[in-house]
Amino acid sequence: DMKVTQMPRYLIKRMGENVLLECGQDMSHETMYWYRQDPGLGLQLIYISYDVDSNSEGDIPKGYRVSRKKREHFSLILDSAKTNQTSVYFCASSRDSQDTQYFGPGTRLLVL
Amino acid sequence: QQKVQQSPESLIVPEGAMTSLNCTFSDSASQYFAWYRQHSGKAPKALMSIFSNGEKEEGRFTIHLNKASLHFSLHIRDSQPSDSALYLCAGTGGYKVVFGSGTRLLVSP
Repeated sequence: DMKVTQMPRYLIKRMGENVLLECGQDMSHETMYWYRQDPGLGLQLIYISYDVDSNSEGDIPKGYRVSRKKREHFSLILDSAKTNQTSVYFCASSRDSQDTQYFGPGTRLLVL
Repeated sequence: QQKVQQSPESLIVPEGAMTSLNCTFSDSASQYFAWYRQHSGKAPKALMSIFSNGEKEEGRFTIHLNKASLHFSLHIRDSQPSDSALYLCAGTGGYKVVFGSGTRLLVSP
């Protein structure tokens, strides 16, 4: 069963705290993504990973970093979270960077 | 860099009507074009994709790609309230897929 999972699904943090969002996929997809989506808006690409330890900045990488040590896992880290990072974060994976993307259920992050 | 623009931003149609959503892109060299649908509070999900000029139909949904005019469209026949969602157009740009900002569709019963 093709699946992308995200943990946690909901998270409340205080400004300045560190945040770790985790994503997993069971399709052996090479490419994985982190997006954020603000109310009423489309998807903004934060980072793209083409394979293990092969990560590239997306359109809004400032304030974020990523880690991909295994093909099936991709983490998004917010060092010292800011209130403007309150958003819904989606992870996605695809066979390659120009193929259909499969999205996880999202993580709703609130930074107070 | 590929740019993807969608129109309209939002749309209200009566149940049973034909819905047409539009997307224009800037790079005709793109190979992959797709429509994604996102219901409220849910994740985006791929609806249909196409790799070459022409038309593709699946049930009530038809997509049409014209690379010469840089135009990509989605048509929904006999629109249903369950079709109410955010529709995202996507096209390849460089080594990644670029999404438009979406069209919010509301189908009124």
